[in-house]
Amino acid sequence: GQNIDQPTEMTATEGAIVQINCTYQTSGFNGLFWYQQHAGEAPTFLSYNVLDGLEEKGRFSSFLSRSKGYSYLLLKELQMKDSASYLCAVMDSNYQLIWGAGTKLIIKP
Amino acid sequence: GAVVSQHPSWVICKSGTSVKIECRSLDFQATTMFWYRQFPKQSLMLMATSNEGSKATYEQGVEKDKFLINHASLTLSTLTVTSAHPEDSSFYICSARGRGESQPQHFGDGTRLSIL
Repeated sequence: GQNIDQPTEMTATEGAIVQINCTYQTSGFNGLFWYQQHAGEAPTFLSYNVLDGLEEKGRFSSFLSRSKGYSYLLLKELQMKDSASYLCAVMDSNYQLIWGAGTKLIIKP
Repeated sequence: GAVVSQHPSWVICKSGTSVKIECRSLDFQATTMFWYRQFPKQSLMLMATSNEGSKATYEQGVEKDKFLINHASLTLSTLTVTSAHPEDSSFYICSARGRGESQPQHFGDGTRLSIL
């Protein structure tokens, strides 16, 4: 079966750095997406990785290792507004998006 | 760029009413649109995928006669919840993807549907 695993909840301090991990087992791979979803709102696109390595976008970076079936989202200089759920989604061989359950990130002052 | 507009944001109506939700891609052509529902504190559940000009593909367990999807143009898809009942109350979210299957999905703001 297809499976995406990410921690249910994480807590971090304002100004710090946090890494949210995602491991996956899917039938084929055509890329991995990270989305941010604030409570009561729709997801917003953060990043897309299809090749191994690190993609940096401002305070957010996303890393992919296809051989390990592993990705992480790194958030630096955390701000209170970063409190949200972070969704990992993998595109399988049929270009279907398989969604993780999301990681709820709580930022404390 | 990549703005998706979803309307309405909130709907409260009586049981038995049919409700139509619109999803528009404002600045790109959406060859594929997706409809999701999400219950509180749960993950997104894909309901159906629609390609412009063809019939929607529904996920297992989703009643196609209850959730009617129309994708008549490259910028508009609609979801109609027919004869809605309280158990249909949920957060419905559409997303749109441009040309290229590996393009990201861009989401509308969602529609919160409450059936009394």
